Amino acid sequence: GAGVSQSPRYKVAKRGQDVALRCDPISGHVSLFWYQQALGQGPEFLTYFQNEAQLDKSGLPSDRFFAERPEGSVSTLKIQRTQQEDSAVYLCASSKTGAGANTGELFFGEGSRLTVL
Amino acid sequence: SQKIEQNSEALNIQEGKTATLTCNYTNYSPAYLQWYRQDPGRGPVFLLLIRENEKEKRKERLKVTFDTTLKQSLFHITASQPADSATYLCALGEGSARQLTFGSGTQLTVLP
Repeated sequence: GAGVSQSPRYKVAKRGQDVALRCDPISGHVSLFWYQQALGQGPEFLTYFQNEAQLDKSGLPSDRFFAERPEGSVSTLKIQRTQQEDSAVYLCASSKTGAGANTGELFFGEGSRLTVL
Repeated sequence: SQKIEQNSEALNIQEGKTATLTCNYTNYSPAYLQWYRQDPGRGPVFLLLIRENEKEKRKERLKVTFDTTLKQSLFHITASQPADSATYLCALGEGSARQLTFGSGTQLTVLP
């Protein structure tokens, strides 16, 4: 497709379960970002990839959160031993440009809404 | 501490009027600022970008200003329409940092 694709759109997990959220960015986009958005709030940065390299993971809230982009295209955000406070929408965004290049707009996916019971 | 503040409450305006949304920031030195629109259940969609050395940018019915002295950006929608109803997010980009830092958004409702 032409846009950023995320799956699943909705995920309900029991506390303690592991979840994996997938992001398929726009083809050829160098940069990929994960954001977390709580209800009524703006997106908060989690992590950033330039191609397959994870250049910034400063926003990951704990070591239960792990992201990868092994071939520089599709990315997966994994949350281990989910907690209720992990309930949020997880947004993936991609951008044409890489670090140090001129600013570029972010193209967001529709998000994956995670509910932890 | 660092803060990005947008209109604290939802904004309701009458169709045809100009909507003005504010974005104030503290303890940031943004190199650029972006505005996004977000509809319920959807991801944000890029609208406009303005750099620190630019005072104003326009795109169709949209206008954004950036005052680095006041540490403020204003976002205007002229001749507003009910279809403009959405949440509008401002986002700052600092120096070489690649990630954007978002405000909490302003929910705009344009009444017919």
